[in-house]
This record gives sequence, structure tokens and C-alpha cells, in this order.
Amino acid sequence: DIQLTQSPSFLSASVGDRVTITCRASQGISSYLAWYQQKPGKAPKLLIYAASTLQSGVPSRFSGSGSGTEFTLTISSLQPEDFATYYCQQLNSYPPGRTFGGGTKVEIK
Amino acid sequence: QVQLVQSGAEVKKPGSSVKVSCKASGGTFSSYTISWVRQAPGQGLEWMGRIIPILGIANYAQKFQGRVTITADKSTSTAYMELSSLRSEDTAVYYCARDANYGDYALFDYWGQGTLVTVSS
Repeated sequence: DIQLTQSPSFLSASVGDRVTITCRASQGISSYLAWYQQKPGKAPKLLIYAASTLQSGVPSRFSGSGSGTEFTLTISSLQPEDFATYYCQQLNSYPPGRTFGGGTKVEIK
Repeated sequence: QVQLVQSGAEVKKPGSSVKVSCKASGGTFSSYTISWVRQAPGQGLEWMGRIIPILGIANYAQKFQGRVTITADKSTSTAYMELSSLRSEDTAVYYCARDANYGDYALFDYWGQGTLVTVSS
């Protein structure tokens, strides 16, 4: 099975900061990677798919990059509503895995 | 607009089974793939498996092979996840999600509201 390792697992930042979260895959997954945001008590929300494509309705301060085994999610200017936990997910077609990374909790400094 | 509505919270005894439903509306259910994801209290997301209703084919994460069964009823646009031999570690919120394809790329674009399953003696 493909494993995803996110770093950091916890991040303390201020409103307006630029934030970068990394996701590393145990083997190459091309661009078959998505990013989700989850707030307490809520289902995850899709932010980015295909490693760098912004889902409709998601603010442009979110961006994704990478391919193969290393990926990043960047928030260019952190807003109060962005304090949440972020997960990467690999969506390889064969074998049909859908593994998630361990998550990165972004908290207010 | 796709909507996924899950069944209500459950309390189960260790060793028993639980069956959670996920009813879809909007779109064409038989063209979906539905995945199931769980989240233990304070923990991350864990993919359990998926069903392709139009084919009746299910795939499972290795960890849950033999203990989880995912099915779908096209006539009612409902997917089901049954987990057997429950233990306390299975206490979690269980989510269904639409496992969609945008071109060559898969993603989970719609999610159910979650179902809390508590395993306790």
C-alpha cells in the first residue's frame, strides 16, 4: 500500500501568514493527489485535486504543487476561517487505493 | 446538486456488527463510485473501501479485508457499509463520499454528514 507522510503534523500561524504543508508518498503517484480541509465536527471539504487544480468555489489563496512523491499545499495569506486540519489523499487508479495522510492541524498563534 | 444522507448514530456491543447506510440524491447513482472513510475520535481519516454500483464491484483497504462489506442498492440509490466483529477501536465517525472522476483524476467531491458508531460493552 502507498503511504502518505504529512509534515508538519501541527502548525501555529498568524492571520496573514504564508503557510506550506508537505505531503510525501512512499512511491510515485504522478499527480493523483487531492487536498482536503476539515473543521471540527464537519465532513472534509475538497480543496485541490490532480495535485494543483483548485476545486470550484475554493479561494485562490489555496494552491497545490508537486508530482511523483512530493507535494505541497500553500495558503498564501492565512485567513481566520482557514484554521482547520488539512489532509492529503492519494487516488491511484491501480491498485485502487485512496490513502490519506496523517493530517496537519493549523492553529492560531 | 449531489446530496449524501447517512443513517443515524449507533451503539453496538463488542463482537457484533453494524450496517450504515448512505442515500444519494441528485446525479445518477449508478454512475457514482461511493467510498467509505472513518475517523476515530481525535484521529485522522482512514479509507475503508468503495463500491462501483453499476458494476457491483467493491474494493477494500487491506486493513479491513474480511471484516467490511460494502454494497449498493441501485433501486433506492443507497450504499451500505457493514463492519463485523466490532471492537472498541472501531468507535469512530463513518463517512460516505462520492468517489468521482474529473477527467483522469479521482477525488471525493461530496460527503455524507457522518455517522457515529460507538462500540461499548
